[in-house]
Amino acid sequence: NAGVTQTPKFQVLKTGQSMTLQCAQDMNHEYMSWYRQDPGMGLRLIHYSVGAGITDQGEVPNGYNVSRSTTEDFPLRLLSAAPSQTSVYFCASSFIRGGSTDTQYFGPGTRLTVL
Amino acid sequence: GQQVMQIPQYQHVQEGEDFTTYCNSSTTLSNIQWYKQRPGGHPVFLIQLVKSGEVKKQKRLTFQFGEAKKNSSLHITATQTTDVGTYFCSFSGSARQLTFGSGTQLTVLP
Repeated sequence: NAGVTQTPKFQVLKTGQSMTLQCAQDMNHEYMSWYRQDPGMGLRLIHYSVGAGITDQGEVPNGYNVSRSTTEDFPLRLLSAAPSQTSVYFCASSFIRGGSTDTQYFGPGTRLTVL
Repeated sequence: GQQVMQIPQYQHVQEGEDFTTYCNSSTTLSNIQWYKQRPGGHPVFLIQLVKSGEVKKQKRLTFQFGEAKKNSSLHITATQTTDVGTYFCSFSGSARQLTFGSGTQLTVLP
């Protein structure tokens, strides 16, 4: 099992550019999510999905879009990059058990800088 | 929405000293999870607590869930340099959103 994979590992964008951060998991997890991590701010939920075709907003969704066409993939799209989106982005996945999310498996992260 | 307060934000200890981080919620939690993130790494799951008053141990780490399920703690006995990192608590709230505390960054001085 590869677990949770994320690409790219590093990315530099100019303000206004768009891009897609890729996330894939091979554990057949129903739940997938995207977090951003800024210094001293912990992990903040951007978007999440409880299954293919279902997505929902987290705490900080503005400026980001997601889709979940398959169980395995959950790409995060930045529509028009802004310097405030400079951050480390983590994708995570888990099973859903008893109505709650189970152990979260995190990808290695994408370090994004917007100039 | 639901949130947890995690304290302290930073902790520096001498190697061999004990360390404790706390998570406090104003509302009852269905469960709580703990994660460790090494510098430059990604969060890694440590444990999940579900029952009121639950205590679980992993070698030098002791995890507790309060009787009212509103607070939790992680205690490390005799810290080692390998314990360096940021420790996060998290819980599954409404609509299955997983919310993380702000983390406690542990530095262990040799």
